[in-house]
Amino acid sequence: AQSVTQLGSHVSVSEGALVLLRCNYSSSVPPYLFWYVQYPNQGLQLLLKYTSAATLVKGINGFEAEFKKSETSFHLTKPSAHMSDAAEYFCAVSDQGGKLIFGQGTELSVKP
Amino acid sequence: DAGVTQSPTHLIKTRGQQVTLRCSPKSGHDTVSWYQQALGQGPQFIFQYYEEEERQRGNFPDRFSGHQFPNYSSELNVNALLLGDSALYLCASSSRAGYQETQYFGPGTRLLVL
Repeated sequence: AQSVTQLGSHVSVSEGALVLLRCNYSSSVPPYLFWYVQYPNQGLQLLLKYTSAATLVKGINGFEAEFKKSETSFHLTKPSAHMSDAAEYFCAVSDQGGKLIFGQGTELSVKP
Repeated sequence: DAGVTQSPTHLIKTRGQQVTLRCSPKSGHDTVSWYQQALGQGPQFIFQYYEEEERQRGNFPDRFSGHQFPNYSSELNVNALLLGDSALYLCASSSRAGYQETQYFGPGTRLLVL
């Protein structure tokens, strides 16, 4: 069965600093992995998706994630945080039927 | 190109009542999935509809039921509401059922059960 663990329910960075949000997955099949962002009182917006075409995936708003099979990780990074990046971030893995299994989420705060 | 739309945006019900939430998928999509997001939690999968049939179901009681119409829109029905059903209900659509497909989410319906 697939599962996702996000390490750190809250991450705080200064504006301009590196953003690193951690995600580890468990999957019995080659995984399809996703990162979504949720702004307050809104739905989920897709940031990026891993489909096995490339281990480094670039997404919207300057975010990228690297798939590491040996570490079963799919961490999300951004070189320089902006105030507008403050939101909740969710990592998810898709099971074979298409169900998304989400982590608990990481709230990102950006300090001026 | 319209994205996923949901109605209503907010709803207040009392225990024991029934509620119906609605979802219209993104243009060109034929698969709809429903998720429940409790406060401070990640979304939990309720069920998925494709070709007007329930294809996959999560760990939710039979009080939760759904329907998909020929135009691919969908409804989520919850009977005998409990306080614990208070949550954000998210609808997601994709171009077809399957684990490689990207799901696009609507803004959600926030349900409060008193």
